[in-house]
Amino acid sequence: ETGVTQSPTHLIKTRGQQVTLRCSSQSGHNTVSWYQQALGQGPQFIFQYYREEENGRGNFPPRFSGLQFPNYSSELNVNALELDDSALYLCASSLGGTAGQFFGPGTRLTVL
Amino acid sequence: AQSVTQLGSHVSVSEGALVLLRCNYSSSVPPYLFWYVQYPNQGLQLLLKYTTGATLVKGINGFEAEFKKSETSFHLTKPSAHMSDAAEYFCAVSEEGSSNTGKLIFGQGTTLQVKP
Repeated sequence: ETGVTQSPTHLIKTRGQQVTLRCSSQSGHNTVSWYQQALGQGPQFIFQYYREEENGRGNFPPRFSGLQFPNYSSELNVNALELDDSALYLCASSLGGTAGQFFGPGTRLTVL
Repeated sequence: AQSVTQLGSHVSVSEGALVLLRCNYSSSVPPYLFWYVQYPNQGLQLLLKYTTGATLVKGINGFEAEFKKSETSFHLTKPSAHMSDAAEYFCAVSEEGSSNTGKLIFGQGTTLQVKP
């Protein structure tokens, strides 16, 4: 059984650019959540996708957007990058309910 | 609104000593509670979870946690620390089953240092 995978591992962008991060969910999981983890902080919920529809959003501006595909993989897009967007971006997949969320290794984004 | 407070951003124990990492939560509905561990430059690994039923929950690597509703706590313990336990630990709360999406609200984390 393949776990949650994310790509790329690391990414360096400059302020104002756009970035797309990708996530493949664990086999059979239909729900994907994205989190931002700034250095020294706990992860912060960005949004969740369930069966290709956004299913809740945290306190992040609209320039953070996402997609979920029919195979339940997902993308996180961030437009107009700001320095404060530098963080580890974590994807987690689940079946919902009480199963808990299983995290990928993350993508480290640095904005210069 | 949900929130999680982890008391102590840094805990240091000797190898073989008891590990106690503290977590208090607030939630307007019966919570689901989780402990995750994060090793350097890695994602989060689920240690254990409480949903309903038995309040003492056993997880992987010898860790356990007890849900105490009256104290709104979910402290993580391990009887004997091992060097490999050194990592960052996160407590999280979720309100799955309510109008909430089931998103996880995390505490700030506790760094566990294990001394030889």
